[in-house]
Amino acid sequence: SQKIEQNSEALNIQEGKTATLTCNYTNYSPAYLQWYRQDPGRGPVFLLLIRENEKEKRKERLKVTFDTTLKQSLFHITASQPADSATYLCALISGGYNKLIFGAGTRLAVHP
Amino acid sequence: GAVVSQHPSRVICKSGTSVKIECRSLDFQATTMFWYRQFPKQSLMLMATSNEGSKATYEQGVEKDKFLINHASLTLSTLTVTSAHPEDSSFYICSARPPGLNSGNTIYFGEGSWLTVV
Repeated sequence: SQKIEQNSEALNIQEGKTATLTCNYTNYSPAYLQWYRQDPGRGPVFLLLIRENEKEKRKERLKVTFDTTLKQSLFHITASQPADSATYLCALISGGYNKLIFGAGTRLAVHP
Repeated sequence: GAVVSQHPSRVICKSGTSVKIECRSLDFQATTMFWYRQFPKQSLMLMATSNEGSKATYEQGVEKDKFLINHASLTLSTLTVTSAHPEDSSFYICSARPPGLNSGNTIYFGEGSWLTVV
């Protein structure tokens, strides 16, 4: 069956460190993968998209890698700040209508 | 500012009544919108794909007679929860993608609607 797996346990890190979140998928062949941020009680906010022919994508303090052999994407936040505390979701496109299917998300807490 | 707007942001209704949630794309026309629901501390679960001018496509396990979707125009989709029960209490979120040939276009999400059925 198709699965998108993210670490369900919260990730706690110290301010200034690099946070690394993992997204693994099975039985998908996505042309691209997306990462979103979701704050409590709010809708997801798009952060980054990486295509299957791209190994790495950067945007300010964010970096995403995409390994189609391992079927894995890593999401990094460098020089993390308490304001980065949120739940981060990875998502894949699936189906004829380009439906966006989400992983369960990983909650990140950055402590001062 | 928001490019996808949902209304209401919070609604409380009595069991057995119906409640309608609106999703509007503000800056673009969306032939396709998506409806999700999210329980506390869980991921977004896709409920249905809303298509302008035609019937919605529902995901497996989602009752189409329970969750009525109407995509009346290129900027408006509505989700009506009929005969609501307490177990329907959830966070409902819509999304829309601007048109274009690039299927990787950013998808915009609404702010979500909290439904509480008492």
